[in-house]
Amino acid sequence: GAGVSQSPSNKVTEKGKDVELRCDPISGHTALYWYRQSLGQGLEFLIYFQGNSAPDKSGLPSDRFSAERTGGSVSTLTIQRTQQEDSAVYLCASSLVIGGGPLYGYTFGSGTRLTVV
Amino acid sequence: AQTVTQSQPEMSVQEAETVTLSCTYDTSESNYYLFWYKQPPSRQMILVIRQEAYKQQNATENRFSVNFQKAAKSFSLKISDSQLGDTAMYFCAFMKSGGSNYKLTFGKGTLLTVNP
Repeated sequence: GAGVSQSPSNKVTEKGKDVELRCDPISGHTALYWYRQSLGQGLEFLIYFQGNSAPDKSGLPSDRFSAERTGGSVSTLTIQRTQQEDSAVYLCASSLVIGGGPLYGYTFGSGTRLTVV
Repeated sequence: AQTVTQSQPEMSVQEAETVTLSCTYDTSESNYYLFWYKQPPSRQMILVIRQEAYKQQNATENRFSVNFQKAAKSFSLKISDSQLGDTAMYFCAFMKSGGSNYKLTFGKGTLLTVNP
């Protein structure tokens, strides 16, 4: 597609349930990022995928969070046993990385707003 | 670790006027990029302008320009001839050049309201 697509747009879940958030990056983009945006907290880095390299998971806040990227394209962020503090907007971004960095910067999706009740 | 500080949580400006959003950052890196992103109510982050640290010339994109002061670690955004469509959250961001992870470090944002 022309942009980064995220689904669902909004998700309401009960505390303790598992959720899966999906990101479909721009075709051909080698790098994919997940960020979390909490109210008044700016954007927090979660995880980074680049090509076939091992992902950088250093931003994942707990072992309840995991992510995978299949075939170098679609990525899924999974949150197990959701807690109320997980409520946030989860943003995905992709970029084409060449040489010293993202060629044209990132392209972000519109995010998934997760509400844990 | 890098930090990005936006000291103005909210700002407002009249349509057609000029407004400047402040951003300071802290890093020990010598090669990096700085960005301003705009996030309207649609939630999608839109790149406004980008600056490479090795370039002394300030970046400009139509009505948007930056004042990059490397020694002072300051990176302010000037919006000229403000339009109602400029109303949005604005984030300043830092990215280290090179290495293996091109993650962005964001400030907490400035909510800009353009009044008619």
